[in-house]
Amino acid sequence: NAGVTQTPKFQVLKTGQSMTLQCAQDMNHNSMYWYRQDPGMGLRLIYYSASEGTTDKGEVPNGYNVSRLNKREFSLRLESAAPSQTSVYFCASSEGGAGETQYFGPGTRLLVL
Amino acid sequence: QKEVEQNSGPLSVPEGAIASLNCTYSDRGSQSFFWYRQYSGKSPELIMSIYSNGDKEDGRFTAQLNKASQYVSLLIRDSQPSDSATYLCAVMENYGQNFVFGPGTRLSVLP
Repeated sequence: NAGVTQTPKFQVLKTGQSMTLQCAQDMNHNSMYWYRQDPGMGLRLIYYSASEGTTDKGEVPNGYNVSRLNKREFSLRLESAAPSQTSVYFCASSEGGAGETQYFGPGTRLLVL
Repeated sequence: QKEVEQNSGPLSVPEGAIASLNCTYSDRGSQSFFWYRQYSGKSPELIMSIYSNGDKEDGRFTAQLNKASQYVSLLIRDSQPSDSATYLCAVMENYGQNFVFGPGTRLSVLP
């Protein structure tokens, strides 16, 4: 099992460019999450998907869109990148339901110039 | 805005000592609590989960929960240099799927 995989591992964008971060899990988990992590701020939830076909906003959704393509895949799209979106992005998955452990991917480092 | 607070540290302890990490949360209805460890440049990994008041032990790690005081802690006994990392406290909203993470406490175990 690969667990949670993310692509790309590192990306540099210019302001205004768009890109999609990909996430896939092979653990048959129902729930998937996108976080960003900035120095001193901890992990902040961008969007989550409690089950296939549903998505909900987290703490910091502005400037992002998500797609739960199927049970395995959950993508995060930046339509018009801004320097404030420079961060490390983590995808996570869990079986779902209260109290379930989240398993994290290796992260994507994004730099917006 | 639900909040989870931790001392940012760094917390420095000598090898073999007990490291005590603390976390407070604002949502009184929260039911699920987690401690994650994150090494520099790596992704978070779960150390402990706790759902009921009291202590929960797993090897050198003990999680303590006091819902009345809205307080959860992590004790690391016989600290090792390999325990040097950032420790993240996470709280799951009541009846929801929304996790809230604290900013993390950086722990340094000195040989």
